[in-house]
Amino acid sequence: QVQLVQSGSELKKPGASVKVSCKASGYIFTSYAINWLRQAPGQGLEWMGWINTNTGNPTYAQGFTGRFVFSLDSSVSTAYLQISSLKAEDTAVFYCARGRSIDYWGQGTLVSVSS
Amino acid sequence: SSELTQDPAVSVALGQTVSITCQGDSLRSYYATWYQQKPGQAPVLVIYDENNRPSGIPDRFSGSSSGDTASLTITGAQAEDEANYYCNSRDSSGNHLLFGGGTKLTVL
Repeated sequence: QVQLVQSGSELKKPGASVKVSCKASGYIFTSYAINWLRQAPGQGLEWMGWINTNTGNPTYAQGFTGRFVFSLDSSVSTAYLQISSLKAEDTAVFYCARGRSIDYWGQGTLVSVSS
Repeated sequence: SSELTQDPAVSVALGQTVSITCQGDSLRSYYATWYQQKPGQAPVLVIYDENNRPSGIPDRFSGSSSGDTASLTITGAQAEDEANYYCNSRDSSGNHLLFGGGTKLTVL
């Protein structure tokens, strides 16, 4: 069965970096894009962008350029989201999700940023 | 427009029918997809390509569309349907995804 398993919660200080992983199983990793989405506490879903798992080419939504980087390690069917120069307002649950038309979601990773 | 607009909250009596709407220009060109999210859980796909249900989704969930508005209808709402519902489509370029702000459904 299709599964996207994300890394565990992170507590970071402002200015630090974090790297969230998303390990896919149950399907051919390079057959589907991986999206990244953010959900701030009590808020809705924000699409951050997607990465082409064939080419590694990322596409970023407006507002998610510069500090946000999508990457892959296809040898282990894993996608990554790295966020640098963390701010308190980056505190959120981050989800990976499969496909250009999203069908499966990871369980979410809470990133908390606090001094 | 590059936005999808949803009513923030809707309520329905147990066993009755409710529709949740999603409005945006992109819906004239692209199908809507709908997700259900319960507190503390990841979203779950309930309707794709306007009116298709993944396996395991009850047939009381259905979708439709007219012009710039897509609708998710729950016929005979159950207590377990109480959740936030998000619509999704693509923007005019087709390369970016859009999400509505979400509708909190309360089953009375």
